[in-house]
Amino acid sequence: AQSVTQLGSHVSVSEGALVLLRCNYSSSVPPYLFWYVQYPNQGLQLLLKYTTGATLVKGINGFEAEFKKSETSFHLTKPSAHMSDAAEYFCAVSDRHAYTGFQKLVFGTGTRLLVSP
Amino acid sequence: EAGVVQSPRYKIIEKKQPVAFWCNPISGHNTLYWYRQNLGQGPELLIRYENEEAVDDSQLPKDRFSAERLKGVDSTLKIQPAELGDSAVYLCASSLARSYEQYFGPGTRLTVT
Repeated sequence: AQSVTQLGSHVSVSEGALVLLRCNYSSSVPPYLFWYVQYPNQGLQLLLKYTTGATLVKGINGFEAEFKKSETSFHLTKPSAHMSDAAEYFCAVSDRHAYTGFQKLVFGTGTRLLVSP
Repeated sequence: EAGVVQSPRYKIIEKKQPVAFWCNPISGHNTLYWYRQNLGQGPELLIRYENEEAVDDSQLPKDRFSAERLKGVDSTLKIQPAELGDSAVYLCASSLARSYEQYFGPGTRLTVT
């Protein structure tokens, strides 16, 4: 069964600083990996995804993540934080099935990003 | 293009009362998901529909929860009777068949007193 561990329930950065949100996964098969963002009182929005191919994935709002199989990690980064990046970020993993396709997402517990002026 | 629509956005009920949540997925999306998100946690899947068929309901507490997706479009999730521990945000998501890209609605925040 898949699982996701997000280190740090809260991460604080200053505006303009590097953002690094950590995610480690466990999967018995090559996984699909995702990062979602959730703003207050809103649903989840897909930031980026890794399925196959290039291990460095670029997403919306300047975020990117790198799939490292040897470390079972999929950390999210952004070179320069903006006040509008303050939100809850969720890492998620899914297994892949050759015939039935994508199945369910398993989410981590989330990391709240705080951005100070 | 309209996103996933959910109603109501907020609901406060007393324990032992029934409650229902409604979801309208994105047009053309065959797959519909209901998730529960407890405070400080990530969403957890309750049930997944492929058209009208519930293909994964292993995490749905069937003694008090029920769901339906008539005609393979809208869906309703019901709790009867509600318990204090059911307080959470209930999220609906939809996707194209066999797609890994899910689109989430804003959720219904349920408070059981």
